[in-house]
Amino acid sequence: GAVVSQHPSWVICKSGTSVKIECRSLDFQATTMFWYRQFPKQSLMLMATSNEGSKATYEQGVEKDKFLINHASLTLSTLTVTSAHPEDSSFYICSAKPGTDYEQYFGPGTRLTVT
Amino acid sequence: GQQLNQSPQSMFIQEGEDVSMNCTSSSIFNTWLWYKQDPGEGPVLLIALYKAGELTSNGRLTAQFGITRKDSFLNISASIPSDVGIYFCAGLTSGTYKYIFGTGTRLKVLA
Repeated sequence: GAVVSQHPSWVICKSGTSVKIECRSLDFQATTMFWYRQFPKQSLMLMATSNEGSKATYEQGVEKDKFLINHASLTLSTLTVTSAHPEDSSFYICSAKPGTDYEQYFGPGTRLTVT
Repeated sequence: GQQLNQSPQSMFIQEGEDVSMNCTSSSIFNTWLWYKQDPGEGPVLLIALYKAGELTSNGRLTAQFGITRKDSFLNISASIPSDVGIYFCAGLTSGTYKYIFGTGTRLKVLA
C-alpha cells in the first residue's frame, strides 16, 4: 500500500518551454501533497505544499508564478515548470500524505533537463 | 532552508558489519522519520518515531528517538550489499506536516 507514482520519469525540454509533471497517489487519498527539488548529491528541499481544492503554499525563495501547482483531486497533483531555464534542471520528487498521518510517501521522481 | 545535520556524511563498511548513523538538530522535533534513497529513485520510508526515547525496529534496522527530542539514531545490523544508498532523517515539529530533511548519510558496502 501507499504507492505514489510520477510521470514522466524523465524529460528533456528546450529553454523557454513549459513542462508538466504529474504526481498520483495510487491506493490512497491524499489531501496534502508536497513537491521537492533535489540537486545532485544534496538533500531534498521542499518547494511547496499542495492542498486539494486550495492554493499551494510555497516555501521562501520559490517563485509561485514559475512553478505552478494544481491539486485538483484527492489523488492527483501537478507541477508545471513554466519558461524553463537550464538552472531549473533538477530531480523533482513529490510526496503524498494519507489523511492525518505524519508519514509521507514519495514518488520515484522526475529528472528534468533543460537544454 | 533549514536542514538537519547527519553524521557521518559517508561511510564504507564491510558486508556483515553493523552501521550507526545519527541526526541532530538545534530544535526540538515531535516526530522523527528515517528514509532510504537509491540512486535515481524517491526516498522510501524505513522507520517512523513518535515519542522521545522510543526505540523501533524494522528487520535489521533499529532507530531511536533521542530523549532530548533533538536527535535520532539509526542502526543497521549485519549489513548486506543492498543496504547501499543514501539515508535521510526527517523531523516534524508540532503543528506542521512539513518535513525538515537531514543532509544525508551515504552508505557503501564492500562485499
